[in-house]
Amino acid sequence: AQSVAQPEDQVNVAEGNPLTVKCTYSVSGNPYLFWYVQYPNRGLQFLLKYITGDNLVKGSYGFEAEFNKSQTSFHLKKPSALVSDSALYFCAVRDGLDTGRRALTFGSGTRLQVQP
Amino acid sequence: DTGVSQNPRHKITKRGQNVTFRCDPISEHNRLYWYRQTLGQGPEFLTYFQNEAQLEKSRLLSDRFSAERPKGSFSTLEIQRTEQGDSAMYLCASSSGLAGVTGELFFGEGSRLTVL
Repeated sequence: AQSVAQPEDQVNVAEGNPLTVKCTYSVSGNPYLFWYVQYPNRGLQFLLKYITGDNLVKGSYGFEAEFNKSQTSFHLKKPSALVSDSALYFCAVRDGLDTGRRALTFGSGTRLQVQP
Repeated sequence: DTGVSQNPRHKITKRGQNVTFRCDPISEHNRLYWYRQTLGQGPEFLTYFQNEAQLEKSRLLSDRFSAERPKGSFSTLEIQRTEQGDSAMYLCASSSGLAGVTGELFFGEGSRLTVL
């Protein structure tokens, strides 16, 4: 079974400060990891993914995420937050085993509030 | 707009009635997914199609739920004899090629179901 935990319901950060949104995961094989963002009245949007290779992956809008296998974590980061980054962020995982399964398991989401 | 389109956007129905949602994926995408999202939770996987073949179904998809994708283009999700617990946002996503294998999905804005 695969699972994702996002321990913070909400993260508050001042504009210009660095931000971190936490995610830990559990899968049987090697993980495929993702971050998606949901703006109000908009569909979920893909931000970035880790499949293999460099542990630091870069994505859209200046976001990046660091894969840490020993800690089974995939935290989302940004060096300098913008008010427009305020949204709901979801971490997701899929087992990389070649089972043919395509279902992503999402976390419960973390609401990011960036104050001006 | 060439994104994923879902209709209707909102549906209010009485318990026991049947409802059907439609999803039009991005035209060149051969993979289509249905997810369900309730308030305060992340999306939960329901089912997955590759072309017209339904390849994966979640245990969440009870006998009252049926999904089809005739001709491998648009898809419908029907819920029979709706219950109040079916109230949720139903999300459709599509992908193509390697993106579908590795999990980069394009989501529609969802169809919100309220069962009275």
